[in-house]
Amino acid sequence: DTGVSQDPRHKITKRGQNVTFRCDPISEHNRLYWYRQTLGQGPEFLTYFQNEAQLEKSRLLSDRFSAERPKGSFSTLEIQRTEQGDSAMYLCASSLEGSGYTFGSGTRLTVV
Amino acid sequence: QQQVKQSPQSLIVQKGGISIINCAYENTAFDYFPWYQQFPGKGPALLIAIRPDVSEKKEGRFTISFNKSAKQFSLHIMDSQPGDSATYFCAASPAGGTSYGKLTFGQGTILTVHP
Repeated sequence: DTGVSQDPRHKITKRGQNVTFRCDPISEHNRLYWYRQTLGQGPEFLTYFQNEAQLEKSRLLSDRFSAERPKGSFSTLEIQRTEQGDSAMYLCASSLEGSGYTFGSGTRLTVV
Repeated sequence: QQQVKQSPQSLIVQKGGISIINCAYENTAFDYFPWYQQFPGKGPALLIAIRPDVSEKKEGRFTISFNKSAKQFSLHIMDSQPGDSATYFCAASPAGGTSYGKLTFGQGTILTVHP
């Protein structure tokens, strides 16, 4: 296993379009997290899953955002009707309960 | 109460010097305090972490000092090297409940080590 994989690495989209990102966690990790990072800031929590259950969502996750983790494996994060303020790095991380995170390299979204 | 405040925003040290980054928190439910290193274009990577039952933890050139009563913790990088030049983030997460494992990050410190 080579770590947490995120796809795509970069996405440029026009305002109003929908985008979907994928995260493949480390296979034995039961927890999967999504964070958003803007330039010069620390990552901000969006949501997390334990196996296939979504256990917590941040107030940052408006109704335009939805995340899924079918069968407790990979996860997708969809943003509908993108806005310029959605431009950021979207980071995925996975962990075993009680242990430290492993982050992926992120998907950089630019909304033009 | 969820904030983690980190300082300084940027730090320049000479090769071989000691780099010190400080963080403070308010939420007494936090009980796991990791430090992450991030290079441009990469995700954060876990460097070292501490729980409040110890006051210091050392791994190689990296040491976390923890002061539970002051609600402060710091990262010391000994013998700083140019390859340590990166952005460093402190973070904290609570012990249990639904937020267990959810990290709150500091604002980051850009470290530059001059050769």
